[in-house]
Amino acid sequence: QLQLQESGPGLVEPSETLSLACTVSGDSISSYSYYWGWIRQPPGKGLEWIGSIYYSGSTYYNPSLKSRVTISVDTSKNQFSLKLSSVTAADTAVYYCARAITGTTYYFDYWGQGTLVTVSS
Amino acid sequence: QAGLTQPPSVSKGLRQTATLTCTGNSSNVGNQGASWLQQHQGHPPKLLSYRNNNRPSGISERFSASRSGNTASLTITGLQPEDEADYYCSAWDSSLTGWVFGGGTKLTVL
Repeated sequence: QLQLQESGPGLVEPSETLSLACTVSGDSISSYSYYWGWIRQPPGKGLEWIGSIYYSGSTYYNPSLKSRVTISVDTSKNQFSLKLSSVTAADTAVYYCARAITGTTYYFDYWGQGTLVTVSS
Repeated sequence: QAGLTQPPSVSKGLRQTATLTCTGNSSNVGNQGASWLQQHQGHPPKLLSYRNNNRPSGISERFSASRSGNTASLTITGLQPEDEADYYCSAWDSSLTGWVFGGGTKLTVL
């Protein structure tokens, strides 16, 4: 059974960089046809796609966040990571990592439990 | 980033049928179809259907999805108390080269 687990600081100061990792177990992050993504959800609000990465390092980013986002992959650790720079209170959210099916169809099938990141001094 | 449009809330009675809608455009829903996610308070989203009407293993047949043009729909029959949740649609947008989500519909089972 595939499992994803987010990890990282729950509190980040304004203007700093938010850093999270997602560890994948039960399957190889290098499997074909899968992208691995980050999605966030501000308290009481809807889902927002942040970006996705293939094991080769190919990435897609949300245009509205692209200037501040970096997603990377470490196949040796079966892990992928998110960095979001220059954070503000508006970046306070539950951050989820998820597996994305791509190719002839596109959807997120497995999700992590999510981790709340609060931006505050 | 332009998202998909969902009604904020829908209320239906126990054992009734609810139909939730998700409207996009020819670059997303009209092109690649939509997937549907269910999210209970405090829990991560769970995939209900993909490629318009395929259900993952373990998802009840009471959930069925369809698409007409740029609008996707999720129909839930025989509503149960546990169906009360937030429902999100999602699609790949070929013009944005990324995923888009709807704002979510809060389903209340009366």
